[in-house]
Amino acid sequence: LAKTTQPISMDSYEGQEVNITCSHNNIATNDYITWYQQFPSQGPRFIIQGYKTKVTNEVASLFIPADRKSSTLSLPRVSLSDTAVYYCLVGEEADKLIFGTGTRLQVFP
Amino acid sequence: DTEVTQTPKHLVMGMTNKKSLKCEQHMGHRAMYWYKQKAKKPPELMFVYSYEKLSINESVPSRFSPECPNSSLLNLHLHALQPEDSALYLCASSQEHSGRVDNEQFFGPGTRLTVL
Repeated sequence: LAKTTQPISMDSYEGQEVNITCSHNNIATNDYITWYQQFPSQGPRFIIQGYKTKVTNEVASLFIPADRKSSTLSLPRVSLSDTAVYYCLVGEEADKLIFGTGTRLQVFP
Repeated sequence: DTEVTQTPKHLVMGMTNKKSLKCEQHMGHRAMYWYKQKAKKPPELMFVYSYEKLSINESVPSRFSPECPNSSLLNLHLHALQPEDSALYLCASSQEHSGRVDNEQFFGPGTRLTVL
C-alpha cells in the first residue's frame, strides 16, 4: 500500500474553497485514491474516490494529475459543519483501508 | 437503511471483566470490520469478516475475540483488557470483501471503551 502524506492541519473561513493535497509518490498502477471524512466521536464517512483526472460529486471534487503522485480534495464554499479530519487513502483493495495521519480542517465563522 | 449501529456507546470496564461490543447492519452487506482508534490517531484495522468467516486478523491480541453470528451482526468479545486498550472501537460494513476498489465502507459511530 502506498504511503500518503498530508498536512496535519488547515484553517479556513466559511464560504471559502478548501484544497487539501495528498502526496503518494509510490502509488501503484492499480491503486485508486479515496478520501474519507471523520467528525469527532463518529466513524469515518466516504467522500470521494478517483483514479485519474477529475472526479466530482455533490460534496467535493478530486483532482489527480497525470503522474498520479499526488491528489487534491477540493471542498467548495466550506461551512462550519465541514470542520473534521480528512483522510487520503491509496490502494488497490478498498476492503483493507489503511488510514494515514489525516488533515484536521478547522473552519471559522 | 444505510446505517451501521453499535452498542453500547460508552463502556467502562475493569481489567478482569468480560464484556462484548455489538455491531449491526441491515444493508445486506457481506463484509464487516472492526477498527480501533486512539485519540487523535487514525483508525487501525483489527479484523475483517467476509461471508461470516474471519478473513483478516491484523495480529490482534487474543484478549480481543471477534464473532460473526450472522451476516447482519458482528461482536467483539473483550476479556482481561489493559488500560492501553482504551479507545474508540469502530465497526464498518461493505457490500463484500472482494478487493473491488469501489467497495465503500460504512462506519458506525463507535463504542468509546475505557479500561480501568
